[in-house]
Amino acid sequence: DARVTQTPRDKVTEMGQEVTMRCQPILGHNTVFWYRQTMMQGLELLAYFRNRAPLDDSGMPKDRFSAEMPDATLATLKIQPSEPRDSAVYFCASGSNTDEQFFGPGTRLTVL
Amino acid sequence: GQSLEQPSEVTAVEGAIVQINCTYQTSGFYGLSWYQQHDGGAPTFLSYNALDGLEETGRFSSFLSRSDSYGYLLLQELQMKDSASYFCAVWGSSASKIIFGSGTRLSIRP
Repeated sequence: DARVTQTPRDKVTEMGQEVTMRCQPILGHNTVFWYRQTMMQGLELLAYFRNRAPLDDSGMPKDRFSAEMPDATLATLKIQPSEPRDSAVYFCASGSNTDEQFFGPGTRLTVL
Repeated sequence: GQSLEQPSEVTAVEGAIVQINCTYQTSGFYGLSWYQQHDGGAPTFLSYNALDGLEETGRFSSFLSRSDSYGYLLLQELQMKDSASYFCAVWGSSASKIIFGSGTRLSIRP
C-alpha cells in the first residue's frame, strides 16, 4: 500500500553538523509538508510545497533550515548548522487536497 | 491570529463514549480535521468536516459548528487501543497554512 517514507529514522549528531532528512511522498500527491514535533511546542508546520513549489516556509528558522523538492518523488529538509534546540521528531506528510494528510514515520533527531 | 484549544488530557472507561472538544479562533478556514497519534507513532487522519454538522466514520464521529467556532471528536465503544493523543487542525483560508491544536491525551481504563 502507498506510504510516505522518511530517512533516516533516527539521527544523532553533534552541534554544528549538517543534517539532511529525506522524504518520499505518496505517488500522485501534489502537496508535501514538513512538521516538527516536540513536547513543548507540539506539532508545528515548518514548510510546505504544492506541485514542488514552496508555498510557505514561515515556520522555519531561515538562517539554518532549508527545504527543497528537487523532484516529485523527493523532498529534503536540511539543517546547517544544527543546534541542540533542533532536537525533535521531524515528520513529512503528503496529500492531494486540504483535508487529509498522510504522515511518514518521522525522523527522530538528537543534536548533542 | 489563529489558535486552537483542546483539553490536555481526558480519561474514560473501556466501552464508554468520550467527546474531545476543539475551539478555535481564526478568521476563516476550509475545514476542521482530526488526527490520532499513538506514542512513538505518526499522526494518522481520522476525519474532516468542511461543512457544519456531524460526520460519522465507524466508531468515530466529528462535528463542526462554524457559528460557535467549535468542533468535537466523538469516540464510541471505546477500546484500549484508542488510548492515544488526538489533534484537531484547521487549514486557514486567510493564512493559507495548517495549524494543529496542542493535542488531547486520551487514557482508557479497563
